[in-house]
Amino acid sequence: DSGVTQTPKHLITATGQRVTLRCSPRSGDLSVYWYQQSLDQGLQFLIQYYNGEERAKGNILERFSAQQFPDLHSELNLSSLELGDSALYFCASSVGLLAGEGEQFFGPGTRLTVL
Amino acid sequence: DAKTTQPTSMDCAEGRAANLPCNHSTISGNEYVYWYRQIHSQGPQYIIHGLKNNETNEMASLIITEDRKSSTLILPHATLRDTAVYYCIAHYFTGANSKLTFGKGITLSVRP
Repeated sequence: DSGVTQTPKHLITATGQRVTLRCSPRSGDLSVYWYQQSLDQGLQFLIQYYNGEERAKGNILERFSAQQFPDLHSELNLSSLELGDSALYFCASSVGLLAGEGEQFFGPGTRLTVL
Repeated sequence: DAKTTQPTSMDCAEGRAANLPCNHSTISGNEYVYWYRQIHSQGPQYIIHGLKNNETNEMASLIITEDRKSSTLILPHATLRDTAVYYCIAHYFTGANSKLTFGKGITLSVRP
C-alpha cells in the first residue's frame, strides 16, 4: 500500500460525457502527478501540481483539466470523452521537487472505459 | 531526460538473482538513475535510485558503472511475485521539471 488513494476504481461511461477522478496523496506529500496508461501509448505524464499550483504539463488534452485543493487532494476532470480516452489513470505523489527526491508513490489507478 | 535502453524481456529462475541491465550513454552528470516496476496494471512501484555510487535497499541493489553510461538492477533472490515490467529512468529533478518519463521497460518473468 503506497498511501495514495484513488477513487473510483472503475468507471464506465459513454462518449461525450464528463467524469472526475479523485486522488488523495500520501500524508505530507505536496506534489501530485497524473499519468495516463493506455495499451498503445504506455505510461504518459499528464500534469503535476505542487502545493496547489500547476508546475508541469505533459501531453494533456485541452478536454482534460486538473486541480489541487488546499487539503492537497487532486481531481482530474475529463470531458467530451472519446473512445480513445479509455485507459488507466494513475495519480502519484512525492514529498517535494528537489533533485534526488525522485521517489514517487503511485496509487492503484482508475480504470476508465468509454463506450 | 537522457534516453535509456533496456532489453524487451528476460526471465530467471525463482530463488536466483535477476540482473536487469539498462543503458543510458547520454546521461548527464546531475541525472539520477531511477528504477520502478509495475506488476500487472497496478500502480508503478518505486524500487531504488542512485547518482554515482552503488545503492542497496531492502528490495534491490543498483550498480552504476564508473562512467555512468549503464546500470544494473539486481533482485538478489527473485520470487514469482517479482514478475513485472521494470522501468529504468534517467532524470534530473528541478523545481520546474519533476515528471518521470517512462519508456517501454523490461518484462521480467520469474519461472518456478
